[in-house]
Amino acid sequence: DGGITQSPKYLFRKEGQNVTLSCEQNLNHDAMYWYRQDPGQGLRLIYYSQIVNDFQKGDIAEGYSVSREKKESFPLTVTSAQKNPTAFYLCAVSSGPGGPTDTQYFGPGTRLTVL
Amino acid sequence: RKEVEQDPGPFNVPEGATVAFNCTYSNSASQSFFWYRQDCRKEPKLLMSVYSSGNEDGRFTAQLNRASQYISLLIRDSKLSDSATYLCVVRTGTASKLTFGTGTRLQVTL
Repeated sequence: DGGITQSPKYLFRKEGQNVTLSCEQNLNHDAMYWYRQDPGQGLRLIYYSQIVNDFQKGDIAEGYSVSREKKESFPLTVTSAQKNPTAFYLCAVSSGPGGPTDTQYFGPGTRLTVL
Repeated sequence: RKEVEQDPGPFNVPEGATVAFNCTYSNSASQSFFWYRQDCRKEPKLLMSVYSSGNEDGRFTAQLNRASQYISLLIRDSKLSDSATYLCVVRTGTASKLTFGTGTRLQVTL
């Protein structure tokens, strides 16, 4: 969606290095999410945040860390503890938990490759 | 059993054909259902929400069968531009957490 930016689009990193992926939104949405997508698998939730200064682990949080110091920003750090970091990382936002029309919109993604 | 299951395809259909995708979900407490479209190497984009009574948006029709825990997407008069992977998505719980199927790939040909 036009209001969600992720940078960089492509990222290469050496084994053993930490790397931080950026996600910024100007939609004034409360909730933000990080997913990873691997070939042949569905998107898997890494972390999510429903409000500033609060976040929860998703299904595959090991080896990742996040912060939510501002409503607009939800950076994801891929640490050296993540065993298989090469993947397509997607950030999403939603207006927050609520009724059936609450949906998530995705940024353009970052492709991370570990060399 | 996977929480959300889809036939991976690919479905190869000629332009103008009607094609249907199915999806099953395992958690009977699931509350909301969606179809997303994902083009190759791009982010998923919301195609449509799926309502209990079924809903239509132009050439696209979505159906939900809660008793059988089954969702469908029908595309009529397929266009070349419909070629993409279609993701079945289910929300369960109150935190807006979504569970994604692995997607069904559609290829529309001349």
